[in-house]
Amino acid sequence: GAVVSQHPSRVICKSGTSVKIECRSLDFQATTMFWYRQFPKQSLMLMATSNEGSKATYEQGVEKDKFLINHASLTLSTLTVTSAHPEDSSFYICSGTGSNQPQHFGDGTRLSIL
Amino acid sequence: ELKVEQNPLFLSMQEGKNYTIYCNYSTTSDRLYWYRQDPGKSLESLFVLLSNGAVKQEGRLMASLDTKARLSTLHITAAVHDLSATYFCAVDMEYGNKLVFGAGTILRVKS
Repeated sequence: GAVVSQHPSRVICKSGTSVKIECRSLDFQATTMFWYRQFPKQSLMLMATSNEGSKATYEQGVEKDKFLINHASLTLSTLTVTSAHPEDSSFYICSGTGSNQPQHFGDGTRLSIL
Repeated sequence: ELKVEQNPLFLSMQEGKNYTIYCNYSTTSDRLYWYRQDPGKSLESLFVLLSNGAVKQEGRLMASLDTKARLSTLHITAAVHDLSATYFCAVDMEYGNKLVFGAGTILRVKS
């Protein structure tokens, strides 16, 4: 089946640091990628949708200047959390979808800001 | 706005028993997904239901979709401990559109 690789799986860093998370589709072209955030014991909340070569569309309440999304190729999207603070600590999950496919999810990145 | 409601939110079951998780959604769609999530892990796709009346089974899990009632069920037969996890349903309007998730059902199967 289609595989999405997400890296890193875990990040622990100091407050004020910027953190980049990569999401790669390994065996299909992901025309659309999605970024989700999940707090403990809660559901997944969509942060933004990105189409290759276009600016990401952010959900209401998500700061686009804080969560920078780049989808420069059909196999790679990145999420950069800029000047991260403890409240940004969460589990971030990406997914990718190609032509006439359901979403395929990455393994997630656990971000801990000290 | 599409909304997805799951119930129950928490389910404690005895091994060997049967139970059903319900997923209701608010707008017309004939596409519904079920996922499993283990602690600290991402989502594992269980079922993709793409038409009214769709029924799919895998092992002790069976999912069905009634688009007229806007309802999907995930039925667990003769539960075993390995089924303990959080189960999510999700709905989209078409491939490439965003998924809207239910709140999730935490399932605990007791020996």
